[in-house]
Amino acid sequence: QKEVEQNSGPLSVPEGAIASLNCTYSDRGSQSFFWYRQYSGKSPELIMSIYSNGDKEDGRFTAQLNKASQYVSLLIRDSQPSDSATYLCAVNTDSGNTPLVFGKGTRLSVIA
Amino acid sequence: NAGVTQTPKFQVLKTGQSMTLQCAQDMNHNSMYWYRQDPGMGLRLIYYSASEGTTDKGEVPNGYNVSRLNKREFSLRLESAAPSQTSVYFCASRRGADGNTIYFGEGSWLTVV
Repeated sequence: QKEVEQNSGPLSVPEGAIASLNCTYSDRGSQSFFWYRQYSGKSPELIMSIYSNGDKEDGRFTAQLNKASQYVSLLIRDSQPSDSATYLCAVNTDSGNTPLVFGKGTRLSVIA
Repeated sequence: NAGVTQTPKFQVLKTGQSMTLQCAQDMNHNSMYWYRQDPGMGLRLIYYSASEGTTDKGEVPNGYNVSRLNKREFSLRLESAAPSQTSVYFCASRRGADGNTIYFGEGSWLTVV
């Protein structure tokens, strides 16, 4: 069973702080990694994708990948109350037609 | 550009009734998926269709059937609804299996009483 693990939270951070969200995966052959944001009552939306080791930055968001440690993280700088949501980590385990495997998500609460 | 459209958005069923959730995408994507989401359980894959003409079981297929009607449409059928199938259902699509992004519909809230 290929697994993606996330701390369910809630993770509470003050406005303006850095929020750090973590994800580990079990399949060492995993190739593509995604972070989705889901507001309550809404569908998930993609905010970051990362395919190679290292950091990838997009605005206030930075995704970090370490394949040796089977670890992917999302940093949100200057956190805003509007960032309060559940963040889902998803992993593509091979280059075939296997569907993405999702973690259960981490609930983030940014306190004004 | 509508993206992924699913209907109905809300539905209440009685135990034992049947219904079909409809999903259509206008992005010419090859792969389509049905997920259910329950509190504390994350997104769980019910069925998927890697390409037109193929369907495969996911993690939780029992009690469901699917039809890939054509490249655009992928329906999910509950033959005899049970209270355990009360959930939010998401349809999604992806261009292919090359790691690119998956797009979700807005969700269908189903309650079985």
